[in-house]
Amino acid sequence: DAGITQSPRHKVTETGTPVTLRCHQTENHRYMYWYRQDPGHGLRLIHYSYGVKDTDKGEVSDGYSVSRSKTEDFLLTLESATSSQTSVYFCAILPSGGEGTGELFFGEGSRLTVL
Amino acid sequence: KNQVEQSPQSLIILEGKNCTLQCNYTVSPFSNLRWYKQDTGRGPVSLTIMTFSENTKSNGRYTATLDADTKQSSLHITASQLSDSASYICVVSVRGNKLVFGAGTILRVKS
Repeated sequence: DAGITQSPRHKVTETGTPVTLRCHQTENHRYMYWYRQDPGHGLRLIHYSYGVKDTDKGEVSDGYSVSRSKTEDFLLTLESATSSQTSVYFCAILPSGGEGTGELFFGEGSRLTVL
Repeated sequence: KNQVEQSPQSLIILEGKNCTLQCNYTVSPFSNLRWYKQDTGRGPVSLTIMTFSENTKSNGRYTATLDADTKQSSLHITASQLSDSASYICVVSVRGNKLVFGAGTILRVKS
């Protein structure tokens, strides 16, 4: 257990509404990631963070923003949700010292449905 | 383009049987390859890591192989159990900490 908590675990919302997903970790790891997982696709990186207020885009960042004001929290925001953003979102952390092996530890996922 | 392809997409086997999952990659420069297991409704969990110099590595009933020349890896599951039912994801790490994910193989073990 890498001490990762995602919230909410399930959410149904309507097109055009803002949505924020939260990832909380308890072990002060520097690197945190947001992925989305869709059938037929591998996990795709949305945004990642390498420290407080240090974030960068991944391969599918359009329509998403992130913030990291504290080491333990990494927020993913959909400013105006669209149906194409219906997905399962996973937060992951890379433990300190694990940069060489690349072993990620994942949260339990947040299932988002945009109607 | 860095890509990871897994086959088959899905697989159904009887409990107690063996199976082999395949992963082909076109990733450069290669750093390592990792297999993850993802149970339904859960996040992926690492099973094993293969570095460039390793050919075979076992973790209980799971054995991973790597052929760096042909850029292929396999995950062999021996004496399958119902709890092996999951999605198995191959992830290749590019030097510099970029990760390339395969789409996964969904394995269902039937009694």
